[in-house]
Amino acid sequence: TQLLEQSPQFLSIQEGENLTVYCNSSSVFSSLQWYRQEPGEGPVLLVTVVTGGEVKKLKRLTFQFGDARKDSSLHITAAQPGDTGLYLCAGVSLSGYALNFGKGTSLLVTP
Amino acid sequence: KAGVTQTPRYLIKTRGQQVTLSCSPISGHRSVSWYQQTPGQGLQFLFEYFSETQRNKGNFPGRFSGRQFSNSRSEMNVSTLELGDSALYLCASSPGTSGIGYNEQFFGPGTRLTVL
Repeated sequence: TQLLEQSPQFLSIQEGENLTVYCNSSSVFSSLQWYRQEPGEGPVLLVTVVTGGEVKKLKRLTFQFGDARKDSSLHITAAQPGDTGLYLCAGVSLSGYALNFGKGTSLLVTP
Repeated sequence: KAGVTQTPRYLIKTRGQQVTLSCSPISGHRSVSWYQQTPGQGLQFLFEYFSETQRNKGNFPGRFSGRQFSNSRSEMNVSTLELGDSALYLCASSPGTSGIGYNEQFFGPGTRLTVL
């Protein structure tokens, strides 16, 4: 099993602040996915990063894949209460047939 | 298009019992994956079925099993329940022609299992 460490585990911030969530591993992945999960629901895919060094933007969210394809980060600019949720990263194995999740970062954005 | 549905949404069982959970994928999706989510271990992969065949399996004991029917609906079964089996069980569907890492997975809302 390829372990993924996410940090921080919990984050509580005020509306308008910026934040970064990290996802690290000692293993190489073919790609990495980021999900957001809200209470009572399943995770929803936000983005997939494939190429080492790749940066993808989704409105106020910026995702980066490390050059060595072992780590990734999610940066949120000017967080809003609607960003509240559990953010999960998931590494796709080199075979493409395994998906290993980090334990998640629980984000709370208060008005 | 209807999303992934899971039944039941909540379940309470006692140690030693067995349980069967059901998942109906998005129409046209042939791959169904099952995951266990707990606060301590996070989201862990159980197994994936594609066209009625188990294509991939995680590191769970044999008490956890599954199957997929010809209409792509899937069930998972846990026998001889233990307290540690209390968790949110999620299923996800995808078109599935490639491995689960290469197709977007659509998750259901999960079944919350409590073992007393």
